[in-house]
Amino acid sequence: SQQGEEDPQALSIQEGENATMNCSYKTSINNLQWYRQNSGRGLVHLILIRSNEREKHSGRLRVTLDTSKKSSSLLITASRAADTASYFCATEYDMRGKLIFGQGTELSVKP
Amino acid sequence: SQTIHQWPATLVQPVGSPLSLECTVEGTSNPNLYWYRQAAGRGLQLLFYSVGIGQISSEVPQNLSASRPQDRQFILSSKKLLLSDSGFYLCAWSGAWNQPQHFGDGTRLSIL
Repeated sequence: SQQGEEDPQALSIQEGENATMNCSYKTSINNLQWYRQNSGRGLVHLILIRSNEREKHSGRLRVTLDTSKKSSSLLITASRAADTASYFCATEYDMRGKLIFGQGTELSVKP
Repeated sequence: SQTIHQWPATLVQPVGSPLSLECTVEGTSNPNLYWYRQAAGRGLQLLFYSVGIGQISSEVPQNLSASRPQDRQFILSSKKLLLSDSGFYLCAWSGAWNQPQHFGDGTRLSIL
C-alpha cells in the first residue's frame, strides 16, 4: 500500500506545550500536505511542502520534510485548546493531484 | 473567493435504495474534483476524481459511481445502497496538481 503512516495515533498535551506529529510514506512524491479535521467536519488545509523543500512555517506550525527517509513532521508550538482536532498527512505522487492520506493523529490539548 | 458546497449534511437510507450526493464549487473554473470516503476513526480513501466535464476516474471497485455534468458540479450516486456504503463522504477541489485541496463539510451517510 502507498498509504502513509502517522505517529502517534493519539497525543494528549497541556495548553502551552508543543505537539509533534510524524508521517512516513513509501513512494517518491511531488509534495506532502498536512490537514486538520475537527470532529464531524471537513478537512482544512494547513501546509503544503514540495519535494524540493525541507522546511516550511505558517504561524505556529512548522513542517519538515526528509525525502531520503520518506518522512515528515508537523510541529505545533504553544498549543491551545482550540488546536484539539485530528491531523492528517497526505502525499501527492502523480500529476493528477491524487492524494494518499495517512490514518491521522488525534490531538487533545487540555486547558 | 472560492467556496465548495456539499449536501445533504446527513442522510439515512435503507439498504437497496438509490443515492445521490451533490457537490458544487463556486469562484473557480475547471477545478479538479474529488470524492473521498472516511470510515470512523480512519483516514480518507479516494473514490473518484475528475479533471474535466465528463471525465471520471475510479480508484476502487465499488457500488458507487460519479458524474460531472457541469464544470463545477460533481455527483456521487448509487443505484442500490449496501450496508458497507455507510460512512462520511467528502468532496474536494483543487486548482491543479501540486496545489492544496479544499474540502466541503461532508455528508454522513447511514444505511439501515
